[in-house]
This record gives sequence, structure tokens and C-alpha cells, in this order.
Amino acid sequence: GENVEQHPSTLSVQEGDSAVIKCTYSDSASNYFPWYKQELGKRPQLIIDIRSNVGEKKDQRIAVTLNKTAKHFSLHITETQPEDSAVYFCAVQRNYGQNFVFGPGTRLSVLP
Amino acid sequence: GAVVSQHPSRVICKSGTSVKIECRSLDFQATTMFWYRQFPKQSLMLMATSNEGSKATYEQGVEKDKFLINHASLTLSTLTVTSAHPEDSSFYICSARGNAGGTEAFFGQGTRLTVV
Repeated sequence: GENVEQHPSTLSVQEGDSAVIKCTYSDSASNYFPWYKQELGKRPQLIIDIRSNVGEKKDQRIAVTLNKTAKHFSLHITETQPEDSAVYFCAVQRNYGQNFVFGPGTRLSVLP
Repeated sequence: GAVVSQHPSRVICKSGTSVKIECRSLDFQATTMFWYRQFPKQSLMLMATSNEGSKATYEQGVEKDKFLINHASLTLSTLTVTSAHPEDSSFYICSARGNAGGTEAFFGQGTRLTVV
């Protein structure tokens, strides 16, 4: 089955700096890659996603890049703010309607 | 976006009792719902896939007789933890995807189960 790795497991940055989280996956047939933000005790919230036919997608301070050949994708957050502090999960889906396989998560702390 | 409502948000039960968790899609029909379990400081692990009108599909290592899933309608799936034990204490969360296309999954609020 699919195996998703995520690095780093924890990340601390100064407010205003950039943060990058990387995920690798094993199934080359996977074609949908969302990123979720989860605050303590709350549900995961989709923050950005990318499909396999696109190499990069950007939404204001958040961007995702995908390298299908190398089977990795990354989340980029620029101009970080304290409210960006949370746990971020990448996920991978092979086909529409199937479940997601989640990475182990990255705890991001933005220091004021 | 679509709304998925999960209840209860928090429950404490005695060891040996059963607990039912409901997951409802409020403004769309969900042909498929997924049930995840999340232990503290860990990721979401898929327990089972719930399909409306048919039996749920369980992941390896998840006891189907212990975690009963019912998906009787296009808007409701329930997870019943039977004969709960302290090691079942966890954060249970459902997600649903509508049948109108799109790949985004919408999550319920989650249920914090504590078995004492």
C-alpha cells in the first residue's frame, strides 16, 4: 500500500520567515495531494491541494510544489505568522473516491 | 464548503460499555464516509470505509466486531465502539466526500473518547 513520509516532524521559525514541509510517497499512481492544518483538538482543515497534472500551485502566502518523478511534494508558507502555528498533515490519494493516506504530521511553531 | 457534523464532540464512558458516534453530511449526500482514529501527537489512521447501503471495509488490524459501522442513509454514518476499553481512548474523526464530484474531503469535528 501507499507509504507517506513527512519531514520535519517539528519546525520552529521566527515570525516573518518561511517554512517548508516535505512529503514523499511510494505509489506512483497517486494523483491528488492535499495539505491539512490541524489545531489542537480540532478537525483538519484543507489549506491547499494539487493534482498530478500540475507542478505548482499558490494561494497567497501558501504554495505547494509537486515533483511526480521523484514522488515528493512540499508545502511552502511565506511570511509566517503566529496563527500559522499548528500541525500540518500532507495526504495522498490514488483515485477519486478512495481514502487518503496521511503523513505523520509536522508541528509548526511560529515564534513572535 | 460542505459541512460534516459529528456528535458527540466529547464522551467519557466506563470500561465495558458501548459508545455510538454519529457523522452527518448536512448539505450534501455522502456515498462514502471514512472513519479515522488519531492518538495523541500522531497522524490520522484510517479505520474503515463506510459505503451507503453496503458493508463497511475495515483496515487491517481493525476489529469489525468491535467497531461497528452503519451507513444507512446518504447523510448518516455511525461508529459504535463496543465493549470499550481504556486503550480505545482516542480522537475519532469522520470524513465524507459528496457524490457530486470533486476530491476534497470534509471532516467532522471529531469525538474525543475517554474510557475509564
